[in-house]
Amino acid sequence: NAGVTQTPKFRVLKTGQSMTLLCAQDMNHEYMYWYRQDPGMGLRLIHYSVGEGTTAKGEVPDGYNVSRLKKQNFLLGLESAAPSQTSVYFCASDNMGDGVYYTEAFFGQGTRLTVV
Amino acid sequence: AQKITQTQPGMFVQEKEAVTLDCTYDTSDQSYGLFWYKQPSSGEMIFLIYQGSYDEQNATEGRYSLNFQKARKSANLVISASQLGDSAMYFCAMRDSQAEYGNKLVFGAGTILRVKS
Repeated sequence: NAGVTQTPKFRVLKTGQSMTLLCAQDMNHEYMYWYRQDPGMGLRLIHYSVGEGTTAKGEVPDGYNVSRLKKQNFLLGLESAAPSQTSVYFCASDNMGDGVYYTEAFFGQGTRLTVV
Repeated sequence: AQKITQTQPGMFVQEKEAVTLDCTYDTSDQSYGLFWYKQPSSGEMIFLIYQGSYDEQNATEGRYSLNFQKARKSANLVISASQLGDSAMYFCAMRDSQAEYGNKLVFGAGTILRVKS
């Protein structure tokens, strides 16, 4: 059982380049999330999805786009990378629970992105 | 809007002693869930413990317990008998239904815990 898998694990981009981060989960989870982690700021939510074909903005969506064409995959795109997007990116997934009990989220191993 | 506050950027604790990591949250929803995650230096996110807003008893998982004070909107993590392997970053997180679209999981800034031998 792979859980949540992110690719790639590391990447170096030049300013202005584009790239896509892939997140895949095999737990049939409805919810998927993309976070970025920066020192002193915790995990900040970029975008999330509540089901196949849906996406929504999180706290820091600018400069990123996402797509959820298949339930198991959640893609994060950087159209024109900037040095401010240097960060560690985490994907996570969970189920919505029943509104009273919420389920834990499962995380990928992270992608370390450097924009030079 | 959801907000999670962890006021302790870093903490030290002596091995075998107990330590409390603070977390306060802000929500107007009655139904929400609170989580604690551990992130060791290797980087992975490890789920530790969950507390539901309707749970009357504090959650416990082995050496971890959650001191839930609903009226104060606090959900502090207590680690008993600290071990060297507890040295890590600890994140408090919350899900509620206040999001504009569905509900979402948001995190605090984290607390770095260092266990001294």
